[in-house]
Amino acid sequence: GEDVEQSLFLSVREGDSSVINCTYTDSSSTYLYWYKQEPGAGLQLLTYIFSNMDMKQDQRLTVLLNKKDKHLSLRIADTQTGDSAIYFCAEKKTGGFKTIFGAGTRLFVKA
Amino acid sequence: GAGVSQSPSNKVTEKGKDVELRCDPISGHTALYWYRQSLGQGLEFLIYFQGNSAPDKSGLPSDRFSAERTGGSVSTLTIQRTQQEDSAVYLCASTSAPGTYEQYFGPGTRLTVT
Repeated sequence: GEDVEQSLFLSVREGDSSVINCTYTDSSSTYLYWYKQEPGAGLQLLTYIFSNMDMKQDQRLTVLLNKKDKHLSLRIADTQTGDSAIYFCAEKKTGGFKTIFGAGTRLFVKA
Repeated sequence: GAGVSQSPSNKVTEKGKDVELRCDPISGHTALYWYRQSLGQGLEFLIYFQGNSAPDKSGLPSDRFSAERTGGSVSTLTIQRTQQEDSAVYLCASTSAPGTYEQYFGPGTRLTVT
């Protein structure tokens, strides 16, 4: 199937690290993405990783890709209350422009 | 520059009526997507347009749903004979290619069918 799966909720304390996990299905996907959706807004690209990479770091964000297990994770260091949002994992299918999104993980950050 | 815009932002309609939702993509973006976001359901792919190619309609849930993109720019998503289960936020996105295929999303149209 075309499912991208991720857990629905994650709650962390301010200052802790958050790890959001995702599994995808297409081993030949070229790009994998993390999008962030704040309340009442559309999605915004947070970061992406190309399929020939296994890690990407961007300030407080670390993306890990395990192609063998088709597992993608997003780590947010020093999580802040402003990080509270829904985080979507997505994979771009090979050929064409179709991108499949997961159901989203709602991150709650407790002060 | 201007981002992706959608109108209306909110639409309340009676069951059985037709609705049209509009999307204005970022100028010059070649691909345009429609998604549906239902409460607790995540983002459901509906359709995408790429240049002059035939659209990928594989995500449309029924023949009551249709979309068109005129002149390679503005797109309209039409839902005929609306049902209560059509209530959701409808999101539009556009992208330019080649590159990372990053999608730029509009703020969405919240559709409520009573």
